[in-house]
Amino acid sequence: ILNVEQSPQSLHVQEGDSTNFTCSFPSSNFYALHWYRWETAKSPEALFVMTLNGDEKKKGRISATLNTKEGYSYLYIKGSQPEDSATYLCAPRNTGGFKTIFGAGTRLFVKA
Amino acid sequence: EAQVTQNPRYLITVTGKKLTVTCSQNMNHEYMSWYRQDPGLGLRQIYYSMNVEVTDKGDVPEGYKVSRKEKRNFPLILESPSPNQTSLYFCASSSLLRGLASSDTQYFGPGTRLTVL
Repeated sequence: ILNVEQSPQSLHVQEGDSTNFTCSFPSSNFYALHWYRWETAKSPEALFVMTLNGDEKKKGRISATLNTKEGYSYLYIKGSQPEDSATYLCAPRNTGGFKTIFGAGTRLFVKA
Repeated sequence: EAQVTQNPRYLITVTGKKLTVTCSQNMNHEYMSWYRQDPGLGLRQIYYSMNVEVTDKGDVPEGYKVSRKEKRNFPLILESPSPNQTSLYFCASSSLLRGLASSDTQYFGPGTRLTVL
């Protein structure tokens, strides 16, 4: 997996807004996709791991979907809260080896 | 408590002075990895290890060395640091399922802020 793109690069929303961002990756040799949440001054923490086309995962107000055929995943946040402010990283895995490539992340700012 | 520890957390050094950043995990994980984080570039993998004595280059290995003599430890060595290695460094670990780290998530250490003058 050579090219992982996340969009938008940053996002400013008001408290209560729902939002979503995209992770795009090459679909060939796909194995799994990881989403991580990274708060400022902390370490990245795992949100979801997704492996099957059509997978949907949910954790509270955050959910994610996966399309392995076209090579993208969406992360949704419903009713954003200031504590959701963080950088959201995706890391697709392929069957070709053990390297890890992260997207550059989407930086979310939620204003109270 | 399951954790990944790194030391030191902050380091200011000068060009050319060898340094080592230690990383240790207590989860019996096979896979360990080093990343650097620079503004606008996200996390880039430096080196990774699938098990004791098994290491391989990530995307930005130049200027770094690693070793994996014990399963729990994965130190990062900068033999001759340069200012372009000023960065925030993270160590991470995960288990290896079915011989491939695809389905398991990585646990990150707290980070090491390195400044090379």
